[in-house]
Amino acid sequence: EVQLVESGGGVVRPGGSLRLSCAASGFTFDNYAMSWVRQAPGKGLEWVSGINWNGGSTGYADSVKGRFTISRDNAKNSLYLQMNSLRTEDTALYHCAREDCSGGSCYSGSGYWGQGTQVTVSS
Amino acid sequence: DIQMTQSPSSLSASVGDRVTITCRASQTISSYLNWYQKKPGKAPNLLIYGASNLQSGVPSRFSGSGSGTDFTLTISSLQPEDFATYYCQQSYSTPRTFGQGTKVEIK
Repeated sequence: EVQLVESGGGVVRPGGSLRLSCAASGFTFDNYAMSWVRQAPGKGLEWVSGINWNGGSTGYADSVKGRFTISRDNAKNSLYLQMNSLRTEDTALYHCAREDCSGGSCYSGSGYWGQGTQVTVSS
Repeated sequence: DIQMTQSPSSLSASVGDRVTITCRASQTISSYLNWYQKKPGKAPNLLIYGASNLQSGVPSRFSGSGSGTDFTLTISSLQPEDFATYYCQQSYSTPRTFGQGTKVEIK
């Protein structure tokens, strides 16, 4: 059974940092691209960042570029999101998702998602 | 970046109604278009990938069509469990932008 379990969320002050993790199981992790998607309270889904199967290609939403860094450790079947210079507008539930491809243009969408980890940025 | 625009932003419908949601991309994305259903407190659920392919386990009342810049999600006969918010997303390039969502409410 495919499982994605996020952790690392919490309450942080503006300007602070957090590192989110996503533990993957039930599939061959290094066959797939991965992404982070968030949903702020009362708002829609926002794609935050993605990484291809071997970490050689990454992408970011304009809203987080230069502040967030995505990475993966295929030996540990884990995905990460380092979030620096956090802002109140980064408050959201953060999901990791498996893209059903290895990277690049992806025909198959994201069929597996974690339940999310809550990030709250507040003074 | 590719912008995705959904319409309508919300709609009211009755059980049994046929519902259509549209999604327009700001540039051509071939068929790299996915549709998700989102319910409060739950992770998004992939319904349609590649513009018109039904994800495994998704009821056949859901269908998708379109290519290039214009896409449609259709629910042929709305069921009580279908009241939710629906999002399109392009997977042609990064950032993999979502539409703003369409909330389907009970009339």
